[in-house]
Order: sequence, then structure tokens, then C-alpha cells
Amino acid sequence: GAGVSQSPSNKVTEKGKDVELRCDPISGHTALYWYRQSLGQGLEFLIYFQGNSAPDKSGLPSDRFSAERTGGSVSTLTIQRTQQEDSAVYLCASSEDRDQPQHFGDGTRLSIL
Amino acid sequence: DQQVKQNSPSLSVQEGRISILNCDYTNSMFDYFLWYKKYPAEGPTFLISISSIKDKNEDGRFTVFLNKSAKHLSLHIVPSQPGDSAVYFCASRSGGGADGLTFGKGTHLIIQP
Repeated sequence: GAGVSQSPSNKVTEKGKDVELRCDPISGHTALYWYRQSLGQGLEFLIYFQGNSAPDKSGLPSDRFSAERTGGSVSTLTIQRTQQEDSAVYLCASSEDRDQPQHFGDGTRLSIL
Repeated sequence: DQQVKQNSPSLSVQEGRISILNCDYTNSMFDYFLWYKKYPAEGPTFLISISSIKDKNEDGRFTVFLNKSAKHLSLHIVPSQPGDSAVYFCASRSGGGADGLTFGKGTHLIIQP
């Protein structure tokens, strides 16, 4: 079956613009996660969804970041008024439930000019 | 404050020999540990995991060892193959806390012919 799918694979935008990143999890996976990886760093956890709800949003870097998940499937991560420090690879992962290993998509490489 | 540390940014091993990748953690609440492998421009791929109730888990050429008293885990790959050349990330999860994984910064394993 298909793995985690993320789009776009690459996004270049100007500082101050809004961007929306999309994640299609593996079918049937109830848990969905967003991470980002800045240059030379490990993965930084952003937010977790169980079904459509995100119990803890404190991992989001600022209030310019928001995420939603509808229908227990697709999720979008939105960054408003992008800044250069938002440049990173944004990775989505899903798992059958929180006690199972997470499976990652190939990420969206975001570059803010 | 890094809770998961991979102190070797890179490791070079001859093909056919054993590769040993190390990881240290500081958070005593971590109860589940995973290793991921990552190729350039791809998302991390799950390799093997271990629960804190065990001290060893084996899957083919991959074995993970957990030493809870030392807060240390290691991944052994034997025999090492050219396709094992990649960046390896150690990750941990806290049973009572956030639902995302905490990652180390990775070790770049290079298998030499």
C-alpha cells in the first residue's frame, strides 16, 4: 500500500507570504505527527493528532504556525507571514496508534527568501 | 538542552564488519526507543525499536541494546553492507508526556568496500 505522502515536495516563497503544507497519512493510521528538520539538526516535534484532535499544541514554534486534520485523514500545516528561520524540511509521520512505530513521508523542503 | 545525544556525527566501517551506533539519553521518563535510517532527500525509515522493559531486540542484521542504568542504547549492524550507508537517528518517547518522538542529531554511517 501507499506510504505517507506529502506535498509539495519543494516550496520556495518570499518572506511574509503564507504557506500550506499537506500530508496524506497511511490509510487507517489514526495517529499523525508533524516534525521539522533544520539544517544540521535532528527532527523537532511540532504537533500530534489522534483522529482529528490535537491535545497539545505547545510544540508549535510560534502562533504563526497552525495545523488541522479533517476526516481523520489528511492534515495541513499552515505557516503565516513566513520568516527566514522557518526554512527547513517539514516531515509528516503516521502510525496505527501512538504505541506503534511512526512511518515518515519524504517531507516538504521549505525555503524562505 | 538535548535529551537524546548521538555523540558521533560520522562513523566509517569496512564492509562485512560490525557497525555500532551509540545513543545516550537524559530523560528517565523515556520508555520506548527507536532507530531510523535516512537517505538524502527521503524521509526517515523505521528500522527497529525496543521497549524499556527489554534490554535487547533483534531483527535480522540489526540488534538494539538498551542499558537503562546507563541511559544508553546502541544499534549493531552485522555484517555491514554498502546499502547501510546512511544517516541513523536514535529517537525516544516518554510514556507520560508529549506524544512526539525526541530525536538525536544523527550519525552518518559510511560503509567502505
